[in-house]
Amino acid sequence: SQQGEEDPQALSIQEGENATMNCSYKTSINNLQWYRQNSGRGLVHLILIRSNEREKHSGRLRVTLDTSKKSSSLLITASRAADTASYFCATRGQGAQKLVFGQGTRLTINP
Amino acid sequence: ETGVTQTPRHLVMGMTNKKSLKCEQHLGHNAMYWYKQSAKKPLELMFVYSLEERVENNSVPSRFSPECPNSSHLFLHLHTLQPEDSALYLCASSRLLAGGLDTQYFGPGTRLTVL
Repeated sequence: SQQGEEDPQALSIQEGENATMNCSYKTSINNLQWYRQNSGRGLVHLILIRSNEREKHSGRLRVTLDTSKKSSSLLITASRAADTASYFCATRGQGAQKLVFGQGTRLTINP
Repeated sequence: ETGVTQTPRHLVMGMTNKKSLKCEQHLGHNAMYWYKQSAKKPLELMFVYSLEERVENNSVPSRFSPECPNSSHLFLHLHTLQPEDSALYLCASSRLLAGGLDTQYFGPGTRLTVL
């Protein structure tokens, strides 16, 4: 299975701190994407990193990709209460048409 | 707003009912998806339509029947469902690129409860 696995399953931090979530996968990928989901809502795309990229930034988000370890991390800096949500990584395999999602990390930012 | 709408947002149905979920995208995309999200399970891909043709059916029971009449609309017809089918059903759309399918944009979902 190519399924991504996020770690930790749940993370609770204070507002202003940085939050780091990790994702591991099993097979070669074309790209890896991170999505956010607020409770009971649809997923929102955050950032895409291609297999030939090592790091990407978008605002307070920083994503790294290590294809040798088949892992990625999402860092949210200076967290805010509004960042409270579930975060999912999704991988698209080489030549594959679909994304495979992990189970997600539930992030809680305490005011 | 992501440009993908779903109706209804909430649906309660009995096991003998027939209902349909509707998804519409306003992004000019040409691929659409149905996902099922149950508690404590990864997001499950159910169906993929690319250029209005079904390209993926992930062993979904026949009580779920998708329909894609055009590139902007996607339906999921439901009949004789079971209580374990209760879940959040998410629709998504994306562009179809030469190297595969692009970033997906999700609707808000339909919360389905089967009694």
